[in-house]
Amino acid sequence: AQTVTQSQPEMSVQEAETVTLSCTYDTSESDYYLFWYKQPPSRQMILVIRQEAYKQQNATENRFSVNFQKAAKSFSLKISDSQLGDAAMYFCAYQNYGGATNKLIFGTGTLLAVQP
Amino acid sequence: DAGVIQSPRHEVTEMGQEVTLRCKPISGHDYLFWYRQTMMRGLELLIYFNNNVPIDDSGMPEDRFSAKMPNASFSTLKIQPSEPRDSAVYFCASSRAQGPPQFFGPGTRLTVL
Repeated sequence: AQTVTQSQPEMSVQEAETVTLSCTYDTSESDYYLFWYKQPPSRQMILVIRQEAYKQQNATENRFSVNFQKAAKSFSLKISDSQLGDAAMYFCAYQNYGGATNKLIFGTGTLLAVQP
Repeated sequence: DAGVIQSPRHEVTEMGQEVTLRCKPISGHDYLFWYRQTMMRGLELLIYFNNNVPIDDSGMPEDRFSAKMPNASFSTLKIQPSEPRDSAVYFCASSRAQGPPQFFGPGTRLTVL
């Protein structure tokens, strides 16, 4: 069974600085997707960024980028120029590619605080 | 285009009562998922549908939980009878057949007293 581990329960960053959130996963599959979701206090789950395992290039979305290390099964999220609105719980998630199992498997989350 | 719609946003009920949570997926999405979020267990999948047919209900905790999708634009998650340990945030999500991502609704916060 696939698992997702986020080893940092809480992180803090100064406004305008850069922070990296860690995520590792375990799977025997070769094709899969990885995601970072953001959950602000409103509790809405917001997709931040996605990565297809077959793509070697790391995904980037504006100030958000990932460092995808397939061999190490590592998928970290880097937030550049942190803003107060980035404060939220961040979840790393895994999904199999194709097949009958489409569920997302989530990590336990990292609570990010942004200090002004 | 409207996102995933869930109702109610908040539900407070007493133990033993029936609770029905509702979800309208994004138009054109073929997959619908029900997740539950608790402090103890985090986010976990309860059940998901493809083209209105339940595919995997292995996450449904027990027979008190049931889910239906009578048509492509509506799904319900019912708990009968409800218990205090059912208190959680319940999310509905949908996605296209072509693949991810899953888009989440705002969630329903359920409190069972």
